[in-house]
Amino acid sequence: GENVEQHPSTLSVQEGDSAVIKCTYSDSASNYFPWYKQELGKGPQLIIDIRSNVGEKKDQRIAVTLNKTAKHFSLHITETQPEDSAVYFCAARPYSSASKIIFGSGTRLSIRP
Amino acid sequence: NAGVTQTPKFRVLKTGQSMTLLCAQDMNHEYMYWYRQDPGMGLRLIHYSVGEGTTAKGEVPDGYNVSRLKKQNFLLGLESAAPSQTSVYFCASSYRGLAGDNEQFFGPGTRLTVL
Repeated sequence: GENVEQHPSTLSVQEGDSAVIKCTYSDSASNYFPWYKQELGKGPQLIIDIRSNVGEKKDQRIAVTLNKTAKHFSLHITETQPEDSAVYFCAARPYSSASKIIFGSGTRLSIRP
Repeated sequence: NAGVTQTPKFRVLKTGQSMTLLCAQDMNHEYMYWYRQDPGMGLRLIHYSVGEGTTAKGEVPDGYNVSRLKKQNFLLGLESAAPSQTSVYFCASSYRGLAGDNEQFFGPGTRLTVL
């Protein structure tokens, strides 16, 4: 089955700098890759997603890139702000099941003032 | 709209006790999911449902049962709680399957401790 690995587990960046979180997946047929943000005491919330027929997608300060050949996708946050501090999860949906997504282990992002 | 709600928010059980976690959504979503979140392991799917009256196993179904008697509710049961079931449980729902425009909405979570 699908396996998603996420790095780093913790990341601290200066406010205004960029942050990059990387994930790899094992099932080459996976076709949908969402990213979730989880604030303290809350459930995860979708912030951006990308399909396998697209290489990059941007939404204001966040962007996601996908390299299907390497089975690798990344989240990029530019001009980081204090409210970006949270735990971020990548995920992948196996082609064999539209009902399930497999999550990475999470990255705790801290923004230093 | 309240979105996805979960009750209770916190619960402490003794080993061997049973309990039911309730998830409700008011978005008329077909799909509902139960996940558990453990430190360093992300979210793992326990059971899910693709419609009223249907349920299916996820990655870690052992020790749990579910029921979807009404479209808006999805119940997670622990028949005989074990310390290994100490976790934060999240319910989620989506309109259909998890395609590009069918976002998965999460509830606020239930923190369960089994002593």
